[in-house]
Amino acid sequence: DSGVTQTPKHLITATGQRVTLRCSPRSGDLSVYWYQQSLDQGLQFLIQYYNGEERAKGNILERFSAQQFPDLHSELNLSSLELGDSALYFCASSGGHLTDTQYFGPGTRLTVL
Amino acid sequence: AQKITQTQPGMFVQEKEAVTLDCTYDTSDPSYGLFWYKQPSSGEMIFLIYQGSYDQQNATEGRYSLNFQKARKSANLVISASQLGDSAMYFCAMREGNPSQFYFGTGTSLTVIP
Repeated sequence: DSGVTQTPKHLITATGQRVTLRCSPRSGDLSVYWYQQSLDQGLQFLIQYYNGEERAKGNILERFSAQQFPDLHSELNLSSLELGDSALYFCASSGGHLTDTQYFGPGTRLTVL
Repeated sequence: AQKITQTQPGMFVQEKEAVTLDCTYDTSDPSYGLFWYKQPSSGEMIFLIYQGSYDQQNATEGRYSLNFQKARKSANLVISASQLGDSAMYFCAMREGNPSQFYFGTGTSLTVIP
């Protein structure tokens, strides 16, 4: 158990819908990262937050947004869902420091029908 | 330029043999970290081993060791005495900057043959 929790574990929804994925980082970790992993795209970095502020942005679509709350948990919002958004979404956390390690949550498997 | 390069999409190894998974990296930051993660078919990403850029010795964790060649910018993972449970996807990653940013390679699929 990495200490990073993600809910829900599985999510099945229809095209055009909106979903919210939730992540709680390891105790004491200030940085949260979101990744998308699909069969044809590999592990894609979406966005990083550090202590509530956006720190880095990767290949995140405009339909997607995220935030990190004062208690450091984070949410990834996916809207106007398309079939191609079906993927495994990982949250990871790290302390944000020079010697830290990134630990992954179990992931949320999103299926868009 | 790619930050992390894994040139082996797939590898096979006989059970009980050792295997080396290749990883090269690109950074101009003097302080960085190198990681390997394992992703079995169940999907979770499992942290295996870490090497800091200033570490003088190669990192080891049980059957895993990281062959760190700083001048060549390589960080190969060596798995000794392979087991069937080692069959998985393996990702090399690098951390740089403060606050940290992480970069991942495309992964190597390892299959252990009985």
